[in-house]
Amino acid sequence: GENVEQHPSTLSVQEGDSAVIKCTYSDSASNYFPWYKQELGKGPQLIIDIRSNVGEKKDQRIAVTLNKTAKHFSLHITETQPEDSAVYFCAASPNFGNEKLTFGTGTRLTIIP
Amino acid sequence: KAGVTQTPRYLIKTRGQQVTLSCSPISGHRSVSWYQQTPGQGLQFLFEYFSETQRNKGNFPGRFSGRQFSNSRSEMNVSTLELGDSALYLCASSGEGGGGTEAFFGQGTRLTVV
Repeated sequence: GENVEQHPSTLSVQEGDSAVIKCTYSDSASNYFPWYKQELGKGPQLIIDIRSNVGEKKDQRIAVTLNKTAKHFSLHITETQPEDSAVYFCAASPNFGNEKLTFGTGTRLTIIP
Repeated sequence: KAGVTQTPRYLIKTRGQQVTLSCSPISGHRSVSWYQQTPGQGLQFLFEYFSETQRNKGNFPGRFSGRQFSNSRSEMNVSTLELGDSALYLCASSGEGGGGTEAFFGQGTRLTVV
């Protein structure tokens, strides 16, 4: 089955600086790579996703890059703000949507004011 | 549009008992998945239902089961509860029409087994 590794497990960044979280996956059949943000007491919320036919996707301060050959993808957050503090999860799945998402172990991001 | 609704939010059960958790997906969504979240194991996929049929299954023992009703609402059941079943159980729904949608998660049910 699929295995997703995520690094680092914790990350502290000065407000205004950039944060990068990296994930690797094992199953070449994976084609959909979402990133979720989870705040305390809430369920994960999708912040950005990328499909295997795209190498990079950007949405305002958030970007994701995908290298299918190397089987890794990364989340980039620029101009970090205190409200970016949360736990971030990467995931991989064969298909877009809800089918059998395999999650990474999470990164606790803390933005230092 | 209402989000994914999970009930109850909190539950305390005794070892050996059974429990049923409920999930109401976003209106129009027919795919419902369940995940277990623990500090040690992270987020793990339990199973996915689509149009009342189990479409995918994770690596959990048979004590974990689920079902989906014709209105797409889903329930999951855990029998003979063990202390290790204490976790946050999350439900996610997605739509399939028009290219589909991403997975939307509910707030979860926090199960504590004592």
